[in-house]
Amino acid sequence: EVQLVESGGGLVQPGGSLRLSCAASGFTFSSHWMHWVRRAPGRGLVWVSRISTDGSSTTYADSVRGRFTISRDNAKNTLFLQMNSLRADDTAVYYCAYYSSSVPTGFNHWGQGTLVTVSS
Amino acid sequence: DIVMTQSPDSLAVSLGERATINCRSSQSVLYSSNNKNYLAWYQQKPGQPPKLLFTWASTRESGVPDRFSGSGSGTDFTLTISSLQAEDVAVYYCQQCYTTPYTFGRGTKLEIK
Repeated sequence: EVQLVESGGGLVQPGGSLRLSCAASGFTFSSHWMHWVRRAPGRGLVWVSRISTDGSSTTYADSVRGRFTISRDNAKNTLFLQMNSLRADDTAVYYCAYYSSSVPTGFNHWGQGTLVTVSS
Repeated sequence: DIVMTQSPDSLAVSLGERATINCRSSQSVLYSSNNKNYLAWYQQKPGQPPKLLFTWASTRESGVPDRFSGSGSGTDFTLTISSLQAEDVAVYYCQQCYTTPYTFGRGTKLEIK
C-alpha cells in the first residue's frame, strides 16, 4: 500500500524557516517525480514544486522561488521542502503527492498533509 | 502560467439532481502528439487530501462512481454528477497537467439544497 507521511509543520514567525519531510513507502520512490501542493485556509489548492527522480531537476511556483528548496533522499525514500523567509501567506496545509503514471495525468497519491502556520 | 477558471464558486443541488461544474483554461491543454487533454478533476472533503476523480479530462479513476462524468477538450471542460448523493458534498477542483506550474482552479464548493 502506498503511504506518504508528511511531518515538520508547525508555528513559525515571519522570516523564519521550516523543513518539511515526506516519508514514502509502498512504491518505488526513486522512479517517480515528486511534488508539493499546498492549501491555505479557506483557499484553493496551489502547486508548489516538483523534483525529478534523481533530484537533478527542480521546478517552483513563482510565489516560492528563491525561498523554498525541494530535495529528496532516494536511499531513505524521503522528500523534503526547505522553506526560508516564510511569510504569512505561506500559511497552509502542505501535501506531498505524485502520479503513478509515466506522464503527468493528475496526482493519484497524496499524503495527509502537515500544517504550517506563519504568525508572530 | 495557464490560468484555470472554475464556475460556479459554489453550488447547491437537491439530492438526486444533476450538478455541473465548469472549468476553462487560458490556453489549450490538448497535447497534439497524443490527442490527450492534460486535465484532471479532484474531490476534496474537509480534513482529507484531494482525491483524483478523472485524468485526461474524462478517464474515470478506479472506484469513482459512474454518476460522475468528465467531458470537454481544448480549453473547456465539465464535471457532471448525474444524481447527487449526500456523500458528494465536497470542494471540486480542476487542474491542468500540461505544463508547470500545474495550476488548479479555485474550486467549486458543492452543497445539498
